[in-house]
Amino acid sequence: DIQMTQSPSSLSASIGDRVTITCRASQSIGRYLSWYQHKPGIAPNLLIFAASSLQSGVPSRFSGSGSGTDFTLTISSLQPEDFATYYCLQSYSSPLTFGGGTKVEIK
Amino acid sequence: QVQLQESGPGLVKPSETLSLTCTVSGGSVSSGSYYWSWIRQPPGKGLEWIGYISYSGNTNYNPSLKSRVTVSVDTSKNQFSLKLSSVTAADTAVYHCARGVGSSYPDYWGQGTLVTVSS
Repeated sequence: DIQMTQSPSSLSASIGDRVTITCRASQSIGRYLSWYQHKPGIAPNLLIFAASSLQSGVPSRFSGSGSGTDFTLTISSLQPEDFATYYCLQSYSSPLTFGGGTKVEIK
Repeated sequence: QVQLQESGPGLVKPSETLSLTCTVSGGSVSSGSYYWSWIRQPPGKGLEWIGYISYSGNTNYNPSLKSRVTVSVDTSKNQFSLKLSSVTAADTAVYHCARGVGSSYPDYWGQGTLVTVSS
């Protein structure tokens, strides 16, 4: 199985801050990497697919980059509704595997 | 807008079979473009992909669960289902259903349903 290592596991940030979350794959996955936002009791929301493609309807302050083994999710200016847990997912090979998650909290 | 909703018992006894159904609205499980997935999250832990099924019935399961998992699709009801046999407390989790873009990433998820395994 491909292991996905996500960091940090949690972070505290203020409204307007630039936030960066990273995900590292245990082997090359090309650009088969997606990012999700998850709030308790709500369906996870797809933000980014194919490493850097913004899902329709997702605000442009979210962006993704990377290829191979190293990937980044950036929130350019943190908004109140962005406080949530973020997960990466590799879909290069089966079984699909997720990163451990990054909880973004209010400073 | 595609919506998915999980349903099923919230409490299952150890050694029994967990059964959940996902009802899809705003889209069709018969679409050849999508695969229909189950994903779970044990309390305090990360997300685990369980497996998926295509409209034609092709399945792919996580090897860690493969011996106990069956995913099926009912096109007449626009639903797909999960069965997990011989459950233990380790199977206690929030179970999400999701639509996958091909055999790749899920784009729409259900909000999830908590299933507790306990006697």
